[in-house]
Order: sequence, then structure tokens, then C-alpha cells
Amino acid sequence: QSALTQPASVSGSPGQSITISCTGTSSDVGGYNYVSWYQQHPGKAPKLMIYEVSNRPSGVSNRFSGSKSGNTASLTISGLQAEDEADYYCSSYTSSSNLVFGTGTKVTVL
Amino acid sequence: QVQLQESGPGLVKPSETLSLTCAVSGGSITSYFWSWVRQPPGKGLEWIGYMYYTGSTNYNPSLKSRVTISVDTSKNQFSLKLSSVTAADTAVYFCARTSGDGYILGGTYFDYWGQGTLVTVSS
Repeated sequence: QSALTQPASVSGSPGQSITISCTGTSSDVGGYNYVSWYQQHPGKAPKLMIYEVSNRPSGVSNRFSGSKSGNTASLTISGLQAEDEADYYCSSYTSSSNLVFGTGTKVTVL
Repeated sequence: QVQLQESGPGLVKPSETLSLTCAVSGGSITSYFWSWVRQPPGKGLEWIGYMYYTGSTNYNPSLKSRVTISVDTSKNQFSLKLSSVTAADTAVYFCARTSGDGYILGGTYFDYWGQGTLVTVSS
């Protein structure tokens, strides 16, 4: 199974909105509403930010939102803050009953 | 609050077997599915596989021939064994709880994670 494709880096100024894409195929992202997103700060474990495309776990800021169109899922961070600077990974369930991660995106707050 | 803690040797020789344990506290291991995920230094995340306390497992096809995930319900912990390791298996290994909506066996997202443990494969 191939990793889902994410842009290597995305940047924005404080207060702005940014969107990270996650592109797969009809066998993973496009075929199921089981895309999740994770935030990872350096040296730390990943943290669940979005599950099942657009659901936010308790405690996650509503500045984070998820969506999907066709084979591409997206994570939008609105009102960008310095603490949002981190790596972000998407993940999807696949038709092979496996889970696959994206290539990862480094978010920089300018 | 569910907490997970990985433990095991930080250095493994090439061709030997990597063995790690994940202790679960704050909840029973007989609920939910439990996964291992790894991350080579400076690289992305890779799902290794999951298990259920009944012994049901599912592994990443790329690692399936070398991986075994097992459970010890009496200790509320689960374990990873990866055989015939090479330098390419050097990574931070995370254990994680796998959750879902109940329709997909094994779950579809990771909601609790351990802090991770670095395993280096070197002679």
C-alpha cells in the first residue's frame, strides 16, 4: 500500500487560515469516510485532531476542521497560532482492511 | 484517562528479533483494538498492525512476514515482535489505542498514544 500524498510544507502568518491536502485513491480516501488527522510536535507522540473526515475529539480547538472531496481530504487550520507549528499526518482506512498514513506536512507559522 | 507506555531494548543487532511491550493503564485492554506504529528518524509514520484481546490480528502487508503482535490480558499489556531486523527497522516505535465507529474491524483512528521508544538496529 502506498502512502497518501501530502504537500511537504505549508506556511502562513498568525491569524491566517491554511489548508493541508491528503490525496489517495478510490481504495482508501475516496472509498471511505475514515480519514483522520494527527498533529506531531518534535520529539512528541502524534495527537489525534480529526477523525472520520470531520469529527473533532473533545479538547481539540474548533480552529481545526476536516473535509473530503473525491480522493482528496483536507485539514484546515483557521486563525493560525504559533503553537500550531508542527508536522501533520493524515491517515485512511483502505479496501485491504489496513490503515495507511500520509507522507506528512510541516506547518510553519511565519 | 488511558495511558500507554512502551518498554524494551533500545539497541538490537541485525538479523535478531526486536521485542517491545506496551503497558496500558486507565482502561482494560479487553476493550478496543491496539496498534503499533513506527517512525524512522526524520521520516513519516507507518502502521505496523493491530490486535484484539481475543488474539485477532491484522498486519501491514509490507511487514506481515516478520511481525507478531500478542496480548497478555493478565498484565493489561500487549507486545510487538519484529524478526530479522535490519538498519531500515531503526525507528521510534509507538503503541496506540485504535478506535472506530464499530463498523470496521480493528478501528480506523488512533486516539491514545504512548510516548514512543527509539529502537536502533546496529551491531
